[in-house]
Amino acid sequence: GESVGLHLPTLSVQEGDNSIINCAYSNSASDYFIWYKQESGKGPQFIIDIRSNMDKRQGQRVTVLLNKTVKHLSLQIAATQPGDSAVYFCAETLNTGNQFYFGTGTSLTVIP
Amino acid sequence: DADVTQTPRNRITKTGKRIMLECSQTKGHDRMYWYRQDPGLGLRLIYYSFDVKDINKGEISDGYSVSRQAQAKFSLSLESAIPNQTALYFCATSRVGKETQYFGPGTRLLVL
Repeated sequence: GESVGLHLPTLSVQEGDNSIINCAYSNSASDYFIWYKQESGKGPQFIIDIRSNMDKRQGQRVTVLLNKTVKHLSLQIAATQPGDSAVYFCAETLNTGNQFYFGTGTSLTVIP
Repeated sequence: DADVTQTPRNRITKTGKRIMLECSQTKGHDRMYWYRQDPGLGLRLIYYSFDVKDINKGEISDGYSVSRQAQAKFSLSLESAIPNQTALYFCATSRVGKETQYFGPGTRLLVL
């Protein structure tokens, strides 16, 4: 099966600082990636996605970077807020729309 | 996401009992999925359905069955529950041609 993992299981940042959450994937044929946010007691919520033909994609306060050379994905959150505290997952898929493989998640805690 | 609902939200059952988890969606999506989430593990796919007449096994389908009663409804059954099926179960939907999956709030299942 696929291997999607995260370098750090937990991350604490000061409010207002930038956060960087990392993800490694094992299959170089993966062509679509998604970052999800999961708050306590809720289902995962889509944050941002990126296709393998891109290196960077920006959303509102979030940026996803894809480094295909080292099979690495990162999520950057600018000016982290208390509401950003959650578990963040990356997911990859080979055949777009069929089956995703999810990482175990990084727990982000924002310190006021 | 209120567009994807799951019932019940919490369930306690005993070993050997049959239980059904329900998922309904108002997003008009054709594709529906069932995942389980365990501590320290990423989301794992149990079953998925691309339309009413299409059912596919996922990564961990043993011990589970599903029924796609309508475009909007996808139920997961445990015919004879066992303790290692204790987990958080999520339903998700996606549009044909769109890979982003939208998750329900989850059902927490405890098998004694």
